[in-house]
This record gives sequence, C-alpha cells and structure tokens, in this order.
Amino acid sequence: EAGVAQSPRYKIIEKRQSVAFWCNPISGHATLYWYQQILGQGPKLLIQFQNNGVVDDSQLPKDRFSAERLKGVDSTLKIQPAKLEDSAVYLCASSLGGVQETQYFGPGTRLLVL
Amino acid sequence: AQSVTQPDIHITVSEGASLELRCNYSYGATPYLFWYVQSPGQGLQLLLKYFSGDTLVQGIKGFEAEFKRSQSSFNLRKPSVHWSDAAEYFCAVGPNAGNNRKLIWGLGTSLAVNP
Repeated sequence: EAGVAQSPRYKIIEKRQSVAFWCNPISGHATLYWYQQILGQGPKLLIQFQNNGVVDDSQLPKDRFSAERLKGVDSTLKIQPAKLEDSAVYLCASSLGGVQETQYFGPGTRLLVL
Repeated sequence: AQSVTQPDIHITVSEGASLELRCNYSYGATPYLFWYVQSPGQGLQLLLKYFSGDTLVQGIKGFEAEFKRSQSSFNLRKPSVHWSDAAEYFCAVGPNAGNNRKLIWGLGTSLAVNP
C-alpha cells in the first residue's frame, strides 16, 4: 500500500516570496491534515479536511496561508507571502476517519525562508 | 485548558537498558491517547494508542504504555532498547466526545541510545 506522498521534500525561498506544497493521501482516506512542525516542537495542526470540506482551520494564519483539497483527494498548502518564522517542516497526514483513527504521515517538506 | 506535557526533552540510555518516557495530560475527560515516533529523516509513525479497556497497551517494536487515570499519565516503556530506537517520541491526546476533534501534541522527547 502506497503511503502519503509529499512534494517537494525541500524548499528554500526568500521572505515575501510564495511557495506551495502538495500532498497525495493514502487512497480511501477521508481525512487529510496539514501540520507545521517547528524545530524542537511537536506538530501543530494547520488545517483538517474531511473529504473536501474543512473541519478545523482555527490555527491557520489565513492572511498568508491557504489550503484546498481537490475532489476530496490531493491537497495543496500555499504560503503567500512567506515570513522568516514560517521556516519549518510541513507534514501532511491522512486517516480513514476521525480523531480516533491512526494518522499516517508523509515524509514532510522542509521549508527554509531566508 | 487542554494540554500534554512530556517532561523530558532529551533522554540518553544504553543499548539493552530499559526505557520509560513520560507523558502527562490535562483534559476534561478520559481522552484518546497516542504515542508516535519520528525517526531521523522519516515521517511520524504510530506506536500505540489507548481508547478504553485494558490500561496496559501493547504496540509495535516492543513498546507498551500504561494509562493511569489517577495520575493523568500515559507513559511509554520498553524493556530493552535497541540502537534503532533512537528517535523523537511524541505523546498526543484527542477527545472521545464533543465537537473539538483534533489531537493535542506534546513537544516530544528526543531519545539517544549509546552502544
């Protein structure tokens, strides 16, 4: 069974530039999560989708971050414009259903904003 | 407020020694409890989870965890550590009811294993 795929794996940009991350979840998984993990910290949920609807985006900085889930499958996360403090690993995870289900994580995208 | 505390930021053990990683939580009711591991260069992987029933939970890679309601704890244990266990370990809690349906994550414990 293929796991959660993410691209790119690494990205270096300058502040005020824009960047986009892509995630392909495990086939059949209804729930998709985007997390931000800053070095030395645990994952912080940015947005959670159930199929193609948003369940929780309370910690998404909506003035600069946006996310969509296309046809309830793939998802993209965009940052525009990027700030220095956005340097982090962006993790995508998927699960069959709700919070009690195991979340399967992709390898992450490491973003460095200069 | 809901929170998860992993008191130990970094732990070093010798290979073959026993291991216990601590996790304490503050929650309104008995939550769902999880332990995930993040190995260098790899994604997070579930080790084990507790929902209800037997308070001693067995997981993958020889890990187990015990839920203690009176202490609001869910400590992770392994009787004999292998060098490949060196990784970052995260405790997470989630609601078993209500509208807030997301996990709260601890800051993690970094485990180093000496040969």
